[in-house]
Amino acid sequence: DQQVKQNSPSLSVQEGRISILNCDYTNSMFDYFLWYKKYPAEGPTFLISISSIKDKNEDGRFTVFLNKSAKHLSLHIVPSQPGDSAVYFCAACSGAGSYQLTFGKGTKLSVIP
Amino acid sequence: DTAVSQTPKYLVTQMGNDKSIKCEQNLGHDTMYWYKQDSKKFLKIMFSYNNKELIINETVPNRFSPKSPDKAHLNLHINSLELGDSAVYFCASSYQLAGGRGEQFFGPGTRLTVL
Repeated sequence: DQQVKQNSPSLSVQEGRISILNCDYTNSMFDYFLWYKKYPAEGPTFLISISSIKDKNEDGRFTVFLNKSAKHLSLHIVPSQPGDSAVYFCAACSGAGSYQLTFGKGTKLSVIP
Repeated sequence: DTAVSQTPKYLVTQMGNDKSIKCEQNLGHDTMYWYKQDSKKFLKIMFSYNNKELIINETVPNRFSPKSPDKAHLNLHINSLELGDSAVYFCASSYQLAGGRGEQFFGPGTRLTVL
């Protein structure tokens, strides 16, 4: 049973445009959400996170939006750059002191020059 | 300087063999993890150690045994390897922050192929 779902396995975007990656979750106990980026043959690297007490968190070109009522979050990358081409994983956890991240299947983003 | 390192990067072995994957972190973190990424690309937690103590042990076969000799190392030993063990195994580490929100830093992964 997938508790974190990334329904788009891939996404192609033109350089300079906005990339929007989506993530849905089913477990209402999740209260902290993270995005990781992964290049081939490397481990995932942390990108940005958001607590359930917020609905938006911004870091440079990256913004994560959280809609708790819809159990949905999205990652916006503006402007997209070719170096952003990677697999993006959405992850979630619950409870203070929880270290157990539940990951989605990932979305492969291709930014076309 | 590599923050989280794993050895070996690739491991090809026969069914029934026993193998180990080593993980080391030089970030001073107190919590380490093992994840498995299977052919369907799901990243799933297997184990987590905090200060050398096991705190997460997901449902994995007992052929898998983690060993943490110290806070900086978490090795994974696998007995009697099976075809279904073929996957990429990632080690990760983090701080145990108040509220447990430390981001996890991942190693580069070990691709295990069981023939």
